[in-house]
Amino acid sequence: EDKVVQSPLSLVVHEGDTVTLNCSYEVTNFRSLLWYKQEKKAPTFLFMLTSSGIEKKSGRLSSILDKKELFSILNITATQTGDSAVYLCAVDLRGGATNKLIFGTGTLLAVQP
Amino acid sequence: DSGVTQTPKHLITATGQRVTLRCSPRSGDLSVYWYQQSLDQGLQFLIHYYNGEERAKGNILERFSAQQFPDLHSELNLSSLELGDSALYFCASSVGGPLLNSPLHFGNGTRLTVT
Repeated sequence: EDKVVQSPLSLVVHEGDTVTLNCSYEVTNFRSLLWYKQEKKAPTFLFMLTSSGIEKKSGRLSSILDKKELFSILNITATQTGDSAVYLCAVDLRGGATNKLIFGTGTLLAVQP
Repeated sequence: DSGVTQTPKHLITATGQRVTLRCSPRSGDLSVYWYQQSLDQGLQFLIHYYNGEERAKGNILERFSAQQFPDLHSELNLSSLELGDSALYFCASSVGGPLLNSPLHFGNGTRLTVT
């Protein structure tokens, strides 16, 4: 069974801290891995990763994929209260003319002032 | 704002009833996906349409159906509603196409409460 596991389930940090969120996966036909940020409403796209070892960066956020060890990390540096959200990891599977995303249950990040 | 529009935002209805959720994809996107998010489970894939045709089905109940119209908007129909159908229903769109390498962009969701 294809699965995506995120850790930790939740964490609380203070503004300015750096956090690392983990996503491991066991799937049959990997196409890509995606990170989303979900506040109260829509999951917002952050990164799509397809190749190992190539860091993707957007401001204070960065992410990297290890296809040998089957995991990805999302780093957030100098955290701000606006970073508080659920961070979702999803793996897109090959097979058929469709993007089949398997989502993890998310990591709830709370950034305190 | 992702550009994906979902209506209504909230829906409260009784068991046994039928509802229709509506989604307008981002301009230029041909693919529409429906996902269900409940408290005890993560985002669960329901169904995918590309340019009016069904492409894939996930864990969609027989009581649920969907379609994508020529103008590319999509509707998700839920019938014989049960308490367990209460959830957040998301629509997502992407460019689609043969490479399938474009990310999904999600709407704000419709919160369905079945009483």
